[in-house]
Amino acid sequence: NAGVTQTPKFRILKIGQSMTLQCTQDMNHNYMYWYRQDPGMGLKLIYYSVGAGITDKGEVPNGYNVSRSTTEDFPLRLELAAPSQTSVYFCASSSNSGTGELFFGEGSRLTVL
Amino acid sequence: GQSLEQPSEVTAVEGAIVQINCTYQTSGFYGLSWYQQHDGGAPTFLSYNALDGLEETGRFSSFLSRSDSYGYLLLQELQMKDSASYFCAVRSTGFQKLVFGTGTRLLVSP
Repeated sequence: NAGVTQTPKFRILKIGQSMTLQCTQDMNHNYMYWYRQDPGMGLKLIYYSVGAGITDKGEVPNGYNVSRSTTEDFPLRLELAAPSQTSVYFCASSSNSGTGELFFGEGSRLTVL
Repeated sequence: GQSLEQPSEVTAVEGAIVQINCTYQTSGFYGLSWYQQHDGGAPTFLSYNALDGLEETGRFSSFLSRSDSYGYLLLQELQMKDSASYFCAVRSTGFQKLVFGTGTRLLVSP
């Protein structure tokens, strides 16, 4: 049972480059999320989605874009990478009922130099 | 918007009991969750309170008072493996949006 899978696990980018972090889940969850976590800090919500074709901004959306063409996939696009985007990125999914427990991927560690 | 406050660090010894508090400000409150995160790992779900009162899950319990916008996580019979960061998180805006607090680092010593 794979759960939430993120790729890549590690990536180094140069300032101004772009890249996409991939996230896929096999639990048929409606809700999906992208968070970033800076060292020693909490998780900040970047974008979230309540279903295919529907996305919304979180707390820190600037510099990022998302799409949700299928229930399973929720890629995060970084355009014109900046050093301030150096962080660990977590993708998560949840159902829309009960405790709404979030299931997290293992994280993607991104460094922008 | 939403904001959550937690103590930054708590220390305790093995076998002790520790309480981690969380106060929040939000609109459209649906529930308070707690997550555990070990260094280098992903957060994992511990508990969820939608109604006032205490929820118990083994050595961990979580409490909520909606009138006080306050909750806490209670860890009993502490073990070394409980050393981790603990985050409270609030569901609001129609349930789908989950916002995390700043986290409390728990250090358990022998």
